[in-house]
Amino acid sequence: DAKTTQPNSMESNEEEPVHLPCNHSTISGTDYIHWYRQLPSQGPEYVIHGLTSNVNNRMASLAIAEDRKSSTLILHRATLRDAAVYYCILMNNQGGKLIFGQGTELSVKP
Amino acid sequence: GAGVSQSPSNKVTEKGKDVELRCDPISGHTALYWYRQSLGQGLEFLIYFQGNSAPDKSGLPSDRFSAERTGGSVSTLTIQRTQQEDSAVYLCASSLGPGRWVVYGYTFGSGTRLTVV
Repeated sequence: DAKTTQPNSMESNEEEPVHLPCNHSTISGTDYIHWYRQLPSQGPEYVIHGLTSNVNNRMASLAIAEDRKSSTLILHRATLRDAAVYYCILMNNQGGKLIFGQGTELSVKP
Repeated sequence: GAGVSQSPSNKVTEKGKDVELRCDPISGHTALYWYRQSLGQGLEFLIYFQGNSAPDKSGLPSDRFSAERTGGSVSTLTIQRTQQEDSAVYLCASSLGPGRWVVYGYTFGSGTRLTVV
């Protein structure tokens, strides 16, 4: 399975943008980049995904490098409720289990 | 249902007893997954069901762990002769099937917190 690398932790101030990086240098052409987040005492929730082009949804934006070896999850204005562990995961059409790394623990300061 | 439902939400059991954890996936989701998360740790894959195919059991930590999925819907994770190291949150997720899961991702339940005393 292709692996991802993320910083263990990041800090942000409330109402400021947050850029969460992810490296996936061994990504294959059929791998989608998925982001999930896990709020305290909850199961993970889907945030966003992409294949090649940048993506926007109501929660976040995903910027994908041209060579697809890295991506960045962008929270445009961090709120206290965005404090969570963010996981970057590769997923392909063959499907099956998602393998979660340690993720990035984001803390948001008021 | 609207989401993935897991029961019970909390379970305290004595060492050596058997426990059953239940997962009700989203209606129409053909794939179902079990994960375990020990305190302060990441998510550990346990087992995965897709339709009528043989389950991927590669993540089960020992033969004390087993899971069934009846009628392609509800799943039960059984832990026999529980040990203290089995204490964790057990999470269930479901998704649409091949080809569509990359588009719609997984939906997780809130988990069952198992404490073995």
